[in-house]
Amino acid sequence: EDQVTQSPEALRLQEGESSSLNCSYTVSGLRGLFWYRQDPGKGPEFLFTLYSAGEEKEKERLKATLTKKESFLHITAPKPEDSATYLCAVQANTGGFKTIFGAGTRLFVKA
Amino acid sequence: IAGITQAPTSQILAAGRRMTLRCTQDMRHNAMYWYRQDLGLGLRLIHYSNTAGTTGKGEVPDGYSVSRANTDDFPLTLASAVPSQTSVYFCASSSSSAITGELFFGEGSRLTVL
Repeated sequence: EDQVTQSPEALRLQEGESSSLNCSYTVSGLRGLFWYRQDPGKGPEFLFTLYSAGEEKEKERLKATLTKKESFLHITAPKPEDSATYLCAVQANTGGFKTIFGAGTRLFVKA
Repeated sequence: IAGITQAPTSQILAAGRRMTLRCTQDMRHNAMYWYRQDLGLGLRLIHYSNTAGTTGKGEVPDGYSVSRANTDDFPLTLASAVPSQTSVYFCASSSSSAITGELFFGEGSRLTVL
């Protein structure tokens, strides 16, 4: 069964304190892995797509990496405005290409 | 501004009542989706439509129905609401279901069933 697990559930950082969020996945043929940001009371907003192991994508203070079993979202020198829930999702080659989401990691960055 | 519009934003509903959540997109995307989001469970797919005139069942379809009469609209109907359907519902779209890419989400509809 296709599955996505994110850890930790919540992460509290001081401004400038770099860290990483983890997304472990089990899927029968990975078509793509996605990262989204979700602010309270809003819909998820797309950040990155990763297609194959070894691939990396960057956007401002965020960098996403991918291996055959997991993805990391590295946050370098975070700011309070980076506080949000970060969602990981995978799309498999089977099952009608539906996207499966993890439960998310809630990130709090304190000034 | 291009995007997805959901209505209502929030609704309190008595159990047993019928409810339709509306979703309209203006991006001319072929694929549309309905997800529900519950604390600790993440987003779960209810129903999807790869193109106008076709629909399919997702992970948690029971108690819900959808239709896709045209490209832009994808309403979700709860025929007889139950308290377990209390959730935040998100409509999403993508240019194609078969090509990996980003999902565009609406702002959500918060539904409470009493």
